[in-house]
Amino acid sequence: DAKTTQPTSMDCAEGRAANLPCNHSTISGNEYVYWYRQIHSQGPQYIIHGLKNNETNEMASLIITEDRKSSTLILPHATLRDTAVYYCIVRVGVHGSGNTGKLIFGQGTTLQVKP
Amino acid sequence: NAGVTQTPKFQVLKTGQSMTLQCAQDMNHNSMYWYRQDPGMGLRLIYYSASEGTTDKGEVPNGYNVSRLNKREFSLRLESAAPSQTSVYFCASTPRAGSPGPAEAFFGQGTRLTVV
Repeated sequence: DAKTTQPTSMDCAEGRAANLPCNHSTISGNEYVYWYRQIHSQGPQYIIHGLKNNETNEMASLIITEDRKSSTLILPHATLRDTAVYYCIVRVGVHGSGNTGKLIFGQGTTLQVKP
Repeated sequence: NAGVTQTPKFQVLKTGQSMTLQCAQDMNHNSMYWYRQDPGMGLRLIYYSASEGTTDKGEVPNGYNVSRLNKREFSLRLESAAPSQTSVYFCASTPRAGSPGPAEAFFGQGTRLTVV
């Protein structure tokens, strides 16, 4: 399973876009990029995922580079409630021999949204 | 639809005691996971079950055992609790990798365990 690298912490002004980077240089062709966030001590919450195309949903946008070695999660208009730890994970998309799709979390990025 | 339910929510154990953390999901997911989270740290995978009838070690399996009782339930057992196992434990479930439809993981609200 590929590992990811994220900055330890970031700040963002309320109402501005928050851009959270993630490096996954050893990602395999069948691995998806997933983003989760954890607010305070709650269970992590799914945000978005993608394979190679950019994705957008009601929460965020995901930009994946053409070589798939890095991605950026974009929260277009950050609010104070977006203050959380954000985790970037890669997970195999096809179940098969040696591929169980397990989720391995890194340390994540602590995003602090400031008024 | 309750999602992922963990019991208990809080527990205090004495060193050497045993206990089982229970987890159940009602989303017909194939895969289930147990994580621990220490203060200021990310989640570390203890054990996972890719599908009913299979279990595999994660990153930090020592001191734990698991049972995939059926498709819905995945329990985590501490045979002889140690202070180093003081942590917050999260259970999660996902569809099996490659399954059609939404692929995100759903997490329980956690069990806060203190071993004294």
